[in-house]
Amino acid sequence: KQEVTQIPAALSVPEGENLVLNCSFTDSAIYNLQWFRQDPGKGLTSLLLIQSSQREQTSGRLNASLDKSSGRSTLYIAASQPGDSATYLCAVSYLLNRDDKIIFGKGTRLHILP
Amino acid sequence: EPEVTQTPSHQVTQMGQEVILRCVPISNHLYFYWYRQILGQKVEFLVSFYNNEISEKSEIFDDQFSVERPDGSNFTLKIRSTKLEDSAMYFCASKQWGGPTDTQYFGPGTRLTVL
Repeated sequence: KQEVTQIPAALSVPEGENLVLNCSFTDSAIYNLQWFRQDPGKGLTSLLLIQSSQREQTSGRLNASLDKSSGRSTLYIAASQPGDSATYLCAVSYLLNRDDKIIFGKGTRLHILP
Repeated sequence: EPEVTQTPSHQVTQMGQEVILRCVPISNHLYFYWYRQILGQKVEFLVSFYNNEISEKSEIFDDQFSVERPDGSNFTLKIRSTKLEDSAMYFCASKQWGGPTDTQYFGPGTRLTVL
């Protein structure tokens, strides 16, 4: 069964610290992997998309890595800010017959302490 | 920047009633999706739709659910007879054409509350 697991479930860090969120997936035959941000009661904002052939993507203070063979991805956030407080979802896409299907992790709830 | 929109933002209904959740995908997108997220749970895939037919559906998407693209702009999810356990946030998504660099763009969601 294709599953995505995120550790830790919740994380609190002081403002300014660098942090790493972890994601693991059971089926390594992925199509691509995305990291999303979800604010409470809100929708999903795509942060970074990593193609299956890539090893990392960067956007501003965010860096996502992908190790397909070990079934792992990390999201690195540099110099964290209170505005980074949100739930971060790892989402792995798998090819289907004519399309792709996204399997989401349960998320890491991040709280940046001012 | 183009975005996926969903209406209503919050729908309250009585158990057994039919509800229709509406989505307007990004205009040049060809693939459409519905996901749901029960409070405190993972976002779960429900169904994908391409070329006016269902491409894939999950085991959650039973006979109580149906999807339709009634015109060139709307994409709807109908739940025929709602149950308490259908209470969730429902997200619509759309994608342009496919390929590994393409991404599904998500709408803001409709919160469905079944009483």
